[in-house]
Amino acid sequence: AAGVIQSPRHLIKEKRETATLKCYPIPRHDTVYWYQQGPGQDPQFLISFYEKMQSDKGSIPDRFSAQQFSDYHSELNMSSLELGDSALYFCASSPRGGQAFEAFFGQGTRLTVV
Amino acid sequence: QKEVEQDPGPLSVPEGAIVSLNCTYSNSAFQYFMWYRQYSRKGPELLMYTYSSGNKEDGRFTAQVDKSSKYISLFIRDSQPSDSATYLCAIATGNQFYFGTGTSLTVIP
Repeated sequence: AAGVIQSPRHLIKEKRETATLKCYPIPRHDTVYWYQQGPGQDPQFLISFYEKMQSDKGSIPDRFSAQQFSDYHSELNMSSLELGDSALYFCASSPRGGQAFEAFFGQGTRLTVV
Repeated sequence: QKEVEQDPGPLSVPEGAIVSLNCTYSNSAFQYFMWYRQYSRKGPELLMYTYSSGNKEDGRFTAQVDKSSKYISLFIRDSQPSDSATYLCAIATGNQFYFGTGTSLTVIP
């Protein structure tokens, strides 16, 4: 069965650079969530989108932005990267009417800022 | 203060043991209580969820919620080496939820 696809799987960037993470939800899932999981930390909710509109906002820094496109894929744009941004970034998707906790997670993008 | 507290462990048990994982939370508004399993370098996978108080059983796994004491538990019977992973509890209301920090479990053959 198709799962949530994230790309790239690994990314290394230097401080102050920008990064773009992509998420392709499960077909017919119209809701996307982004999470940040630091080393040894629990996943922290960043932002979510429903039907291409931002639906909820968590602890997303102002340096980050995200959007959901007409094909429901989502991109997380990160600018002025800091060392502390090094983390595993997860995307999750859920179908129409689904609850956040029922979302399926991708395998994550491991971002390392050096 | 975090919305949900979880002992990070690590927890190491012999194969076949009963494992008990626990979390506490502070806000009584939460209605959904979940357990996720996360293998190394993978995304969290929903194991079970419970709405309100009570028990829920799925094979070797049993989830318990005690809303009066704001305490949630996951029991794993006849633990297997393949159960070795990090287990995260989570609580939810509406469309947002909060994870615990996760408990690292190792089941030794």
